[in-house]
Amino acid sequence: SYELTQPPSVSVSPGQTASITCSGDKLGHKYACWYQQKPGQSPVLVIYQDNQRPSGIPERFSGSNSGNTATLTISGTQAMDEADYYCQAWDSSTAVFGGGTKLTVL
Amino acid sequence: EEQLVQSGAEVKKPGESLKISCKGSGFSFNNYWIGWVRQMPGRGLEWMGIIYPGDSDTRYSPSFQGQVTVSADSSIKTAFLQWNSLKASDTAMYYCARRELGDRHGLDVWGQGTMVIVTS
Repeated sequence: SYELTQPPSVSVSPGQTASITCSGDKLGHKYACWYQQKPGQSPVLVIYQDNQRPSGIPERFSGSNSGNTATLTISGTQAMDEADYYCQAWDSSTAVFGGGTKLTVL
Repeated sequence: EEQLVQSGAEVKKPGESLKISCKGSGFSFNNYWIGWVRQMPGRGLEWMGIIYPGDSDTRYSPSFQGQVTVSADSSIKTAFLQWNSLKASDTAMYYCARRELGDRHGLDVWGQGTMVIVTS
C-alpha cells in the first residue's frame, strides 16, 4: 500500500520560515494536500492541488510537489501556526495520510 | 454556510453495534464525496472510506474493509458510519469530511467529530 512519510516534529522561531516535508514514491505524479489540526479541533485544509490555498487561508501558507517530495512552507510563521500538520494524497480513490508533523513555534 | 454536523458522543460496550451520522447543509450533498477519518487518542489521521451519495458508490481503505459500513441517505443529506460489533480498539474520534469530484481536491469541509468510547 502507498505510504507518506513526514518528520515527527519541526521547530521554528516566530517570523521565520517553516518547511514541512512529505515523502512518497513518485508523489510528484499525484496531487498533494495539507491539513492543519490544532488541539481539540477538526483538521482544516490549508493546501490542495499541491499549491492552491482555499479561501480564507493566509498567503503565508504555500506548497510545492515534485519528484518524491511535497513541501508545505509557512513564511513569517506566527504563534497561531503552532499545530499538527498532515499531508495527504489520493491513491486509487483511497486517501493516504502522512503520519503528521508537530510544528512548534518558539 | 457549508457545513457537516455529526451526531453526538457515544459510550458503548464491546460487542455492541453503533451507527453514527454526518448531516450536510448549505451545499449540494449529492455532488460531493463524503469520507470518514479515524483519529485514535494522541494519534494521526487514518482514512476509512468514502461514499458518493449521488449513486452510493462506496470505496473502503483496505485496513477498514469488512470492519465498518459506510452508507448515505441522500433524501436527508446524511452519511453514516456503522459497526456491527465494536471492540475496545474502536475507541477514537471519527470525522466526516467532503471532497469534490477529482483527485486534485482535498477534504475541504469537516464535521466537528464524533467521539466513540468502547469500554466494558
